[in-house]
Amino acid sequence: NAGVTQTPKFQVLKTGQSMTLQCAQDMNHEYMSWYRQDPGMGLRLIHYSVGAGITDQGEVPNGYNVSRSTTEDFPLRLLSAAPSQTSVYFCASSYSTPGFGNTIYFGEGSWLTVV
Amino acid sequence: AQSVTQPDIHITVSEGASLELRCNYSYGATPYLFWYVQSPGQGLQLLLKYFSGDTLVQGIKGFEAEFKRSQSSFNLRKPSVHWSDAAEYFCAVVLMNYGGSQGNLIFGKGTKLSVKP
Repeated sequence: NAGVTQTPKFQVLKTGQSMTLQCAQDMNHEYMSWYRQDPGMGLRLIHYSVGAGITDQGEVPNGYNVSRSTTEDFPLRLLSAAPSQTSVYFCASSYSTPGFGNTIYFGEGSWLTVV
Repeated sequence: AQSVTQPDIHITVSEGASLELRCNYSYGATPYLFWYVQSPGQGLQLLLKYFSGDTLVQGIKGFEAEFKRSQSSFNLRKPSVHWSDAAEYFCAVVLMNYGGSQGNLIFGKGTKLSVKP
């Protein structure tokens, strides 16, 4: 049981490049989400999904796109990377919306640097 | 506005001393409450959670937290700190039935714990 798997773990991008952070879970979880972590800011919600085909914005969605074509995968796309997107990104999943008291599982994080 | 506040950015305690990390929230109703720990360069580990019932919650690694509704607080405690407890600690809440962030996990900004020998 792999849990929540994020790839890549480390990435350096040039300003303006695009890339996709991959997130996959093998627990048949309906709810998945992406956070970014910046020093002194805690973790902030970027986008989330309550099931395949359904996505919504979190607190800091600008500059990021997501899609949820399957239950297992929830990729995060940076269309035109900016230095302000240098951060650590965490993917999380749970059986259903966390508001129902489900355990939330986190990936190990992806360190992204935009130069 | 709804918020999760961790008033202490950085705390230093001596090994063997007791620890209390503060967390306050401001929402209309009692949310689900969590404490996570993050060691440098690592991911997040759940220490404990509160959904309902007994307001004193026991977690892993000897940590406990007490929910106080009257103070909107969920402070984390440990009676005797070990050097391996040095890490960053995050309080988090799940809002329920509350606008655009319904059911999502919202984090405080974290408290960094240093342990001196």
